[in-house]
Amino acid sequence: AQSVTQLDSQVPVFEEAPVELRCNYSSSVSVYLFWYVQYPNQGLQLLLKYLSGSTLVESINGFEAEFNKSQTSFHLRKPSVHISDTAEYFCAVRGASGTYKYIFGTGTRLKVLA
Amino acid sequence: SQTIHQWPATLVQPVGSPLSLECTVEGTSNPNLYWYRQAAGRGLQLLFYSVGIGQISSEVPQNLSASRPQDRQFILSSKKLLLSDSGFYLCAWTKGEQYFGPGTRLTVT
Repeated sequence: AQSVTQLDSQVPVFEEAPVELRCNYSSSVSVYLFWYVQYPNQGLQLLLKYLSGSTLVESINGFEAEFNKSQTSFHLRKPSVHISDTAEYFCAVRGASGTYKYIFGTGTRLKVLA
Repeated sequence: SQTIHQWPATLVQPVGSPLSLECTVEGTSNPNLYWYRQAAGRGLQLLFYSVGIGQISSEVPQNLSASRPQDRQFILSSKKLLLSDSGFYLCAWTKGEQYFGPGTRLTVT
Protein backbone atom coordinates (compact mmCIF):
# COMPACT_ATOMS: atom_id res chain seq x y z
CA ALA A 1 0.00 0.00 0.00
CA GLN A 2 1.04 3.57 -0.58
CA SER A 3 0.65 6.73 1.45
CA VAL A 4 1.32 10.41 0.86
CA THR A 5 2.19 13.16 3.32
CA GLN A 6 1.99 16.84 2.54
CA LEU A 7 3.68 18.48 5.46
CA ASP A 8 2.30 21.98 5.03
CA SER A 9 -1.40 22.68 5.07
CA GLN A 10 -0.92 26.34 4.14
CA VAL A 11 1.95 28.23 2.56
CA PRO A 12 1.80 32.03 2.28
CA VAL A 13 4.37 33.61 -0.01
CA PHE A 14 4.86 37.03 -1.58
CA GLU A 15 4.47 37.52 -5.31
CA GLU A 16 7.66 36.87 -7.30
CA ALA A 17 9.21 34.92 -4.42
CA PRO A 18 10.18 31.26 -4.80
CA VAL A 19 8.08 28.51 -3.26
CA GLU A 20 8.46 24.84 -2.41
CA LEU A 21 5.51 22.60 -1.54
CA ARG A 22 6.63 19.41 0.12
CA CYS A 23 5.42 15.90 -0.58
CA ASN A 24 6.71 12.64 0.85
CA TYR A 25 5.41 9.22 0.03
CA SER A 26 5.85 5.67 1.23
CA SER A 27 5.53 2.55 -0.85
CA SER A 28 6.96 -0.94 -1.02
CA VAL A 29 6.74 -0.97 -4.84
CA SER A 30 7.65 1.35 -7.66
CA VAL A 31 5.35 4.32 -7.98
CA TYR A 32 4.07 6.99 -10.27
CA LEU A 33 3.81 10.47 -8.76
CA PHE A 34 1.56 13.40 -9.60
CA TRP A 35 0.84 16.97 -8.62
CA TYR A 36 -2.64 18.39 -9.12
CA VAL A 37 -3.90 21.95 -8.70
CA GLN A 38 -7.42 22.89 -7.60
CA TYR A 39 -8.92 26.36 -7.93
CA PRO A 40 -11.95 27.22 -5.77
CA ASN A 41 -15.08 25.20 -6.55
CA GLN A 42 -13.43 23.37 -9.42
CA GLY A 43 -12.14 19.89 -10.06
CA LEU A 44 -8.48 18.98 -9.90
CA GLN A 45 -6.21 19.62 -12.86
CA LEU A 46 -3.08 17.61 -13.53
CA LEU A 47 -0.05 19.86 -13.13
CA LEU A 48 2.78 17.41 -13.72
CA LYS A 49 3.69 13.77 -13.37
CA TYR A 50 6.61 11.44 -12.89
CA LEU A 51 6.28 8.03 -14.50
CA SER A 52 9.87 7.12 -15.36
CA GLY A 53 13.01 8.58 -16.91
CA SER A 54 14.27 12.00 -15.91
CA THR A 55 13.65 12.67 -12.24
CA LEU A 56 13.02 16.38 -12.88
CA VAL A 57 9.65 17.09 -14.46
CA GLU A 58 8.25 20.44 -15.49
CA SER A 59 4.85 21.95 -16.17
CA ILE A 60 3.98 24.49 -18.82
CA ASN A 61 3.43 27.27 -16.26
CA GLY A 62 6.83 27.22 -14.59
CA PHE A 63 6.38 24.61 -11.86
CA GLU A 64 8.81 21.75 -11.52
CA ALA A 65 9.11 18.71 -9.27
CA GLU A 66 11.95 16.35 -8.61
CA PHE A 67 11.53 12.68 -7.81
CA ASN A 68 13.99 11.70 -5.09
CA LYS A 69 13.82 7.97 -4.51
CA SER A 70 16.26 7.88 -1.59
CA GLN A 71 14.30 10.53 0.30
CA THR A 72 10.93 9.29 -1.00
CA SER A 73 10.01 12.84 -1.92
CA PHE A 74 8.41 14.67 -4.83
CA HIS A 75 8.55 18.34 -3.85
CA LEU A 76 6.97 20.98 -6.06
CA ARG A 77 8.87 24.20 -6.75
CA LYS A 78 8.46 27.44 -8.61
CA PRO A 79 11.20 30.09 -8.75
CA SER A 80 8.80 33.05 -8.94
CA VAL A 81 5.11 32.83 -8.09
CA HIS A 82 2.22 34.92 -9.39
CA ILE A 83 -1.04 35.91 -7.76
CA SER A 84 -2.77 33.52 -10.14
CA ASP A 85 -0.90 30.58 -8.59
CA THR A 86 -3.06 30.91 -5.49
CA ALA A 87 -4.81 27.54 -5.24
CA GLU A 88 -4.73 24.22 -3.44
CA TYR A 89 -2.11 21.72 -4.53
CA PHE A 90 -2.39 17.97 -4.11
CA CYS A 91 0.33 15.37 -4.36
CA ALA A 92 -0.76 11.87 -5.40
CA VAL A 93 0.85 8.46 -5.77
CA ARG A 94 -0.10 5.31 -7.61
CA GLY A 95 1.61 1.96 -7.70
CA ALA A 96 3.36 1.44 -11.03
CA SER A 97 1.57 -1.84 -11.72
CA GLY A 98 -1.33 -3.92 -10.54
CA THR A 99 -3.38 -1.19 -8.93
CA TYR A 100 -6.09 1.22 -9.99
CA LYS A 101 -6.03 3.33 -6.86
CA TYR A 102 -4.58 6.80 -6.52
CA ILE A 103 -3.67 7.98 -3.03
CA PHE A 104 -3.86 11.71 -2.44
CA GLY A 105 -2.27 13.90 0.19
CA THR A 106 -4.37 16.26 2.26
CA GLY A 107 -3.38 19.24 0.13
CA THR A 108 -1.38 22.44 0.56
CA ARG A 109 -3.10 25.76 0.20
CA LEU A 110 -0.76 28.19 -1.54
CA LYS A 111 -1.64 31.84 -0.97
CA VAL A 112 0.34 34.37 -2.99
CA LEU A 113 0.40 37.82 -1.42
CA ALA A 114 0.79 41.09 -3.31
CA SER B 1 -10.45 15.00 -26.93
CA GLN B 2 -11.86 13.56 -23.76
CA THR B 3 -14.26 15.40 -21.48
CA ILE B 4 -15.97 14.50 -18.25
CA HIS B 5 -19.30 15.87 -17.10
CA GLN B 6 -20.90 15.93 -13.68
CA TRP B 7 -24.32 17.10 -12.65
CA PRO B 8 -25.77 18.77 -10.88
CA ALA B 9 -23.13 21.37 -10.05
CA THR B 10 -24.71 22.16 -6.68
CA LEU B 11 -27.34 20.42 -4.62
CA VAL B 12 -29.05 21.12 -1.30
CA GLN B 13 -30.90 18.17 0.16
CA PRO B 14 -32.59 17.50 3.52
CA VAL B 15 -31.41 14.74 5.81
CA GLY B 16 -33.07 11.45 4.95
CA SER B 17 -33.70 12.28 1.30
CA PRO B 18 -32.29 10.20 -1.58
CA LEU B 19 -29.33 11.19 -3.75
CA SER B 20 -28.28 10.59 -7.31
CA LEU B 21 -25.17 12.17 -8.83
CA GLU B 22 -24.22 11.41 -12.39
CA CYS B 23 -20.91 11.40 -14.19
CA THR B 24 -20.33 10.77 -17.88
CA VAL B 25 -17.15 10.63 -19.91
CA GLU B 26 -16.84 11.41 -23.61
CA GLY B 27 -14.10 10.66 -26.09
CA THR B 28 -12.75 7.43 -24.61
CA SER B 29 -13.82 3.86 -24.10
CA ASN B 30 -13.52 1.47 -21.18
CA PRO B 31 -12.05 4.00 -18.76
CA ASN B 32 -11.52 3.32 -15.08
CA LEU B 33 -13.96 5.53 -13.20
CA TYR B 34 -13.77 6.91 -9.67
CA TRP B 35 -15.88 8.77 -7.12
CA TYR B 36 -14.11 10.90 -4.51
CA ARG B 37 -15.44 13.07 -1.72
CA GLN B 38 -13.61 16.16 -0.59
CA ALA B 39 -14.54 17.52 2.82
CA ALA B 40 -13.31 20.95 3.86
CA GLY B 41 -9.60 20.81 4.68
CA ARG B 42 -9.43 17.03 4.47
CA GLY B 43 -8.15 16.14 1.04
CA LEU B 44 -9.71 13.55 -1.23
CA GLN B 45 -11.34 10.39 0.04
CA LEU B 46 -11.78 7.62 -2.52
CA LEU B 47 -15.34 6.26 -2.28
CA PHE B 48 -15.72 3.89 -5.25
CA TYR B 49 -13.91 2.86 -8.37
CA SER B 50 -14.92 0.82 -11.39
CA VAL B 51 -12.86 -0.97 -14.01
CA GLY B 52 -15.82 -1.95 -16.18
CA ILE B 53 -19.60 -2.08 -16.56
CA GLY B 54 -21.20 -3.48 -13.44
CA GLN B 55 -17.85 -3.76 -11.63
CA ILE B 56 -17.75 -1.59 -8.53
CA SER B 57 -15.19 -1.57 -5.71
CA SER B 58 -16.12 0.16 -2.50
CA GLU B 59 -13.45 1.80 -0.40
CA VAL B 60 -15.45 2.97 2.60
CA PRO B 61 -18.49 1.36 4.25
CA GLN B 62 -21.24 3.96 4.43
CA ASN B 63 -24.69 4.75 3.17
CA LEU B 64 -23.53 5.53 -0.36
CA SER B 65 -23.54 3.20 -3.34
CA ALA B 66 -22.32 3.41 -6.93
CA SER B 67 -23.38 1.90 -10.21
CA ARG B 68 -21.99 1.78 -13.72
CA PRO B 69 -24.86 0.99 -16.06
CA GLN B 70 -22.94 1.97 -19.20
CA ASP B 71 -19.27 2.07 -20.15
CA ARG B 72 -18.94 5.82 -19.72
CA GLN B 73 -21.54 6.48 -17.04
CA PHE B 74 -20.95 6.35 -13.30
CA ILE B 75 -23.66 7.09 -10.75
CA LEU B 76 -23.36 7.79 -7.03
CA SER B 77 -26.48 7.17 -4.96
CA SER B 78 -27.88 7.15 -1.48
CA LYS B 79 -31.26 6.07 -0.17
CA LYS B 80 -31.10 8.34 2.88
CA LEU B 81 -28.64 11.20 3.21
CA LEU B 82 -26.85 12.02 6.46
CA LEU B 83 -25.50 15.39 7.53
CA SER B 84 -22.00 13.92 7.24
CA ASP B 85 -22.55 13.31 3.52
CA SER B 86 -22.08 17.02 2.82
CA GLY B 87 -19.03 17.76 0.73
CA PHE B 88 -17.62 18.24 -2.74
CA TYR B 89 -18.01 15.11 -4.86
CA LEU B 90 -15.58 14.56 -7.69
CA CYS B 91 -15.76 12.04 -10.49
CA ALA B 92 -12.56 11.05 -12.26
CA TRP B 93 -11.51 8.80 -15.10
CA THR B 94 -8.21 7.15 -15.82
CA LYS B 95 -6.40 5.80 -18.79
CA GLY B 96 -2.82 6.16 -17.62
CA GLU B 97 -3.40 9.47 -15.86
CA GLN B 98 -6.34 10.59 -13.80
CA TYR B 99 -8.60 13.41 -14.94
CA PHE B 100 -11.30 15.03 -12.86
CA GLY B 101 -14.75 16.39 -13.51
CA PRO B 102 -15.90 19.81 -12.31
CA GLY B 103 -17.46 18.43 -9.12
CA THR B 104 -20.81 18.59 -7.32
CA ARG B 105 -21.20 20.60 -4.14
CA LEU B 106 -23.65 18.74 -1.89
CA THR B 107 -25.07 20.36 1.23
CA VAL B 108 -27.24 18.21 3.46
CA THR B 109 -29.45 20.30 5.76
